[in-house]
Amino acid sequence: DVKVTQSSRYLVKRTGEKVFLECVQDMDHENMFWYRQDPGLGLRLIYFSYDVKMKEKGDIPEGYSVSREKKERFSLILESASTNQTSMYLCASTPGGGGGPNTGELFFGEGSRLTVL
Amino acid sequence: AQSVTQPDIHITVSEGASLELRCNYSYGATPYLFWYVQSPGQGLQLLLKYFSGDTLVQGIKGFEAEFKRSQSSFNLRKPSVHWSDAAEYFCAVGLDYKLSFGAGTTVTVRA
Repeated sequence: DVKVTQSSRYLVKRTGEKVFLECVQDMDHENMFWYRQDPGLGLRLIYFSYDVKMKEKGDIPEGYSVSREKKERFSLILESASTNQTSMYLCASTPGGGGGPNTGELFFGEGSRLTVL
Repeated sequence: AQSVTQPDIHITVSEGASLELRCNYSYGATPYLFWYVQSPGQGLQLLLKYFSGDTLVQGIKGFEAEFKRSQSSFNLRKPSVHWSDAAEYFCAVGLDYKLSFGAGTTVTVRA
């Protein structure tokens, strides 16, 4: 089975702190994604990556950056956390070969719930 | 710009009753269509997907969905709901790497 692992299920940080959210997948997928999930808003794409060291902005990249130094790992970085970044963060991956939905499903991690005080 | 609308925020259904969740989309072309389910404390799991061909799609856990191009809809159905179907359901559409998700519908199942 594909496994997408997010290193922290729950985090509490203070305003202004730098936050790292880590995601690892074990199925050699080319494409990886970071989504933010908020009640009433569904999932919104922050960043995605279709190859090592490649990244593309999603719909809400402001306040976030990402790093993909290895194929299996995709990190989301909050340079200076703010209270409006309190949310559930979901990592996902999917195989390449054109990538995205036309190769099938996204495989999601269990999420990282971040609270910024 | 593409958008996905799930008109029902919350649905309560009795165990054994039928369930239908609505999804409408706005897109420049016919996108690929998906339904995902999120059980409490879990990530999202794919229920079913539509790319082309037969407009009635069968998925896991006894779910099916019907694509209606004329209505830009992709509604999810289940004939008989089980208590374990209590979850949040998301419709998603896309054509490339990026999927657009609806706001979700929470399903409560009463005994």
